[in-house]
Amino acid sequence: TQLLEQSPQFLSIQEGENLTVYCNSSSVFSSLQWYRQEPGEGPVLLVTVVTGGEVKKLKRLTFQFGDARKDSSLHITAAQPGDTGLYLCAGALRNDYKLSFGAGTTVTVRA
Amino acid sequence: EAGVTQSPTHLIKTRGQQATLRCSPISGHTSVYWYQQALGLGLQFLLWYDEGEERNRGNFPPRFSGRQFPNYSSELNVNALELEDSALYLCASSLGTGRASQFFGPGTRLTVL
Repeated sequence: TQLLEQSPQFLSIQEGENLTVYCNSSSVFSSLQWYRQEPGEGPVLLVTVVTGGEVKKLKRLTFQFGDARKDSSLHITAAQPGDTGLYLCAGALRNDYKLSFGAGTTVTVRA
Repeated sequence: EAGVTQSPTHLIKTRGQQATLRCSPISGHTSVYWYQQALGLGLQFLLWYDEGEERNRGNFPPRFSGRQFPNYSSELNVNALELEDSALYLCASSLGTGRASQFFGPGTRLTVL
């Protein structure tokens, strides 16, 4: 069983629409990171959140860390074809510095 | 500033052989992590090195091993290769530990025939 459950697994939307990806767990994380990965390449870090209730914005991307530090969400406003990719959430448990990854959400934005 | 680099980009081996993968962290980063991304299995933690010491390892057999050099670069060795070892091997580095963000390299694609 995965420590982090990501949903949905696949998401296909039209350019200009909004989307939200969820990352849930029963465990408490000291930090949670979101990555985007292109096929055959390494994941690229988008954001790190460390404080419960924290909201971070990166242009059209909004990241939220749950108050209890067990869940997170990624919201993309007015999606563009360039947002297409595999989105991964990853969390580090307290005193355990390795990252546990969710299975990922494959996002396809159609022009 | 240069990111995490990995070599080689691709590696093809036959079953039973040994593979050596290399990673150079971002300058100033002392922690190096290795992950395996096999098809359909997602990213799985392999090994963590910090200040030259192995700090933690994931649920992988002992034939997966590595080391970290004084310049903080790292090497992953996989002995007695099996077909299921075919995967993208990713190295990440961070500035210290704890809440530090991990930055990934482009990966080494290992194919075992």
